[in-house]
Amino acid sequence: DQQVKQNSPSLSVQEGRISILNCDYTNSMFDYFLWYKKYPAEGPTFLISISSIKDKNEDGRFTVFLNKSAKHLSLHIVPSQPGDSAVYFCAARLGFGNEKLTFGTGTRLTIIP
Amino acid sequence: GAVVSQHPSWVICKSGTSVKIECRSLDFQATTMFWYRQFPKQSLMLMATSNEGSKATYEQGVEKDKFLINHASLTLSTLTVTSAHPEDSSFYICSASITGTSLYQPQHFGDGTRLSIL
Repeated sequence: DQQVKQNSPSLSVQEGRISILNCDYTNSMFDYFLWYKKYPAEGPTFLISISSIKDKNEDGRFTVFLNKSAKHLSLHIVPSQPGDSAVYFCAARLGFGNEKLTFGTGTRLTIIP
Repeated sequence: GAVVSQHPSWVICKSGTSVKIECRSLDFQATTMFWYRQFPKQSLMLMATSNEGSKATYEQGVEKDKFLINHASLTLSTLTVTSAHPEDSSFYICSASITGTSLYQPQHFGDGTRLSIL
């Protein structure tokens, strides 16, 4: 049962444009959502997170939006840069005291120069 | 920022060998560390939660006698793949998070270990 889903396995975006990565979840008990970026043969790097009580969190070029009613979150990267080319995973935490994360299947983002 | 070091980064060994992977939190104490496994082009699957000073908690379907976890200190957890076979070949990643704070702290990941069993 895949509780966190990223339905787009890949995405290509022109440099300088906005990249939008999407993530859907099924478990309404998740209380924190995170986005990680991963290069091949490396561990994931934390990008940004959002609490379930908020609907937006911004950090530089990265903004995460959360729509609880739709059980949907998205990561916006603007402007997109070539170094943003990587696999992006969304992840969710099941609640305070339970630090386990459930990961989505990832979206490979390619920034076209 | 928080740094997690994982060693070795790459292991090739013969079938039947046991392999130990180390995960260290370099600049913070981690009561809890996590071990994940990733197959090619797939998501990270949690294998077990490693708790300092106590037994690890394994996810359903993960053989605890096959994947031995030891968390002897607040900065070190080890995963030993015992009597490894080709089907154990995978990318293993550990993570840790800073504990003891009121603010949510995300998990920080090591760079992973590529295990290839011949």
